[in-house]
Amino acid sequence: ELKVEQNPLFLSMQEGKNYTIYCNYSTTSDRLYWYRQDPGKSLESLFVLLSNGAVKQEGRLMASLDTKARLSTLHITAAVHDLSATYFCAVVNKARRAQKLVFGQGTRLTINP
Amino acid sequence: DGGITQSPKYLFRKEGQNVTLSCEQNLNHDAMYWYRQDPGQGLRLIYYSQIVNDFQKGDIAEGYSVSREKKESFPLTVTSAQKNPTAFYLCASSILAGQGTQPQHFGDGTRLSIL
Repeated sequence: ELKVEQNPLFLSMQEGKNYTIYCNYSTTSDRLYWYRQDPGKSLESLFVLLSNGAVKQEGRLMASLDTKARLSTLHITAAVHDLSATYFCAVVNKARRAQKLVFGQGTRLTINP
Repeated sequence: DGGITQSPKYLFRKEGQNVTLSCEQNLNHDAMYWYRQDPGQGLRLIYYSQIVNDFQKGDIAEGYSVSREKKESFPLTVTSAQKNPTAFYLCASSILAGQGTQPQHFGDGTRLSIL
């Protein structure tokens, strides 16, 4: 059974600091997604990671994937208040036709001035 | 603009009542999904469908039912057998896995509460 674990689950940080969110998964998968969710809102796609060593960057966020370690990281550089949200990683579970996703618990990120 | 429309935004259920959540997409996606999100938790898959007139159970299908009579529509019924239905329900759609790697698109969700 595929399990996805994120840590930390809660993260409070100051503006201007750097930090990393970790996503571990238990079985082999050929793709991993990162999503952002604002309170009471839907999920917004951030990154799609497909291969070992893949690195994607958008603004102050950078995601990477190590398929051998079954680990993805989401790195936040020089955090700003607008990045406050909950971040989820999700891994495809035995993709055949439909893309069955297994989500991590989410990391609630609060960035303080 | 293409997207996913969920309705209603808020829904209240009485004891013993079935309620139906609507999900419509105009993205021409073959696959559609229903997820449940409890406060402070990740999303869990209830049902999914990869083609019209076909659907599969996800991880927490008990107490729920779905239909897929049209490509654009994937309604979810929360039956009276679901004893703890209070949650945020999200509908999503995607291309099929063999067609590419685009992420699932999500609707804005329906918040269901017990009266």
